[in-house]
Formats: sequence, structure tokens, C-alpha cells
Amino acid sequence: QVQLVESGGGVVRPGTSLRLSCAASGFTLSSYGMQWVRQSPGKGLEWVALLWSDGNTKFYADSTEGRFTISRDKSQNTLFLEITSLRAEDTAVYYCVRGVYYFDHWGQGTPVTVSS
Amino acid sequence: EIVMTQSPATLSVSPGERATLSCRASHSVSSNLAWYQQQPGQAPRLLIYDASSRATDIPARFSGSGSGTEFTLTISSLQSEDFAVYYCQQYKSWPPAWTFGHGTKVEVK
Repeated sequence: QVQLVESGGGVVRPGTSLRLSCAASGFTLSSYGMQWVRQSPGKGLEWVALLWSDGNTKFYADSTEGRFTISRDKSQNTLFLEITSLRAEDTAVYYCVRGVYYFDHWGQGTPVTVSS
Repeated sequence: EIVMTQSPATLSVSPGERATLSCRASHSVSSNLAWYQQQPGQAPRLLIYDASSRATDIPARFSGSGSGTEFTLTISSLQSEDFAVYYCQQYKSWPPAWTFGHGTKVEVK
């Protein structure tokens, strides 16, 4: 069955970088559009980034301001999200989701807390 | 940005009763709207896409309707497992800038 397992979250200092991973199983990740969505108590659910199935077409929320990079490794069937210059407002649970327009499968999420 | 507004914020319903949740878009999203259910401590789950199509394995008591700027999610007869938070999401904007509503919590009356 389809499964998405995120990892890489944790407590990090402001200004540092982080790479989140999402290991997919039960399907070929490169055949689907994949995205990251985050959820925080203050902002609710927020779309972050989209990677088209071609692996090259990428879209980002304005709020990412050039600090986020979505990518994938076909050989590992894994999606990534790299975040640089982390800020307190990046604190959230980050979900990996499958789909281009709506999200039919979600991972369990990985929490990121940005705090000094 | 297309702003999604859900109402009410909290809906108190007795088991077995009907629940009607609303979602309004600041600009027309045609039928490009999805609904999700989130249980405490879990990830959201897709219920409805394209405004009225049920996702795989979603019970028939869940139905979606609407188009343009006004949408409704109806749960015909609430079961215990249906008490949760429900979110709407639009996927009309291009380039992609998908947005969610802030949710409606359905609680036991």
C-alpha cells in the first residue's frame, strides 16, 4: 500500500539549515506530482512547494522567499525539502503529500521547531 | 491569493444527526475544491475532490456540493469517528498557490 514516511525534523537554531526527507513506498514517486504542506497552530495548513512528475518543474509558496528547495532522488524513491535561513515562523509540522492539485496520500509529518 | 473561509468554526452535532459545513472562496475556483478530515494527532485525509467526488474508501454519508465561490460538505448521519476537524482547499490558482480554509471542528453536542 502507499506509504509516505517523513524524517529530518527537530529543534534547530534560527539561521541554520535543514533537509527533510520523505521515503515513499507502494508506488513510484517519480510518476506523481509531489508536494510539501506544513501545519502550525497559528497559520493552519499551508502549501509550501510542488515538484511536477517531470522532476524539473517546481513551484513554491511566496512565503518561502527563495529559502526552500524541493527535490527528489528516483533511485531512493525519496522526496526532499531543504530549508535555509530558518526562522521562528517556519516552526510547523511538515507533511509530504502525493498529488498535484489535491492530496490523496499524506505522510505522518515531521515536526520542525525553530528556537534559540 | 485566494482566501478560503470556513464556517462555522465549531459545529456541535449529536451522533446520528446531519452536519453541514460551509466553505467560501474569495474568487471563483470553479469546481477545483477538496475537503479533508483531520483527527487529533493524525495527518489530514482526503474526503472529496473536484467539489463533489468522493475519494477512495470514503463512506457515502460524506457528500460535497457547490461551485464557484460557495461549497458545502454534508455528513448525512454522524458516526463517532466523524468528530474531527474538516478543511477545504482550493487548487484553481495558477501558478500554483493552493490555499486551505482554517477548518471547522465538528464536536459532540
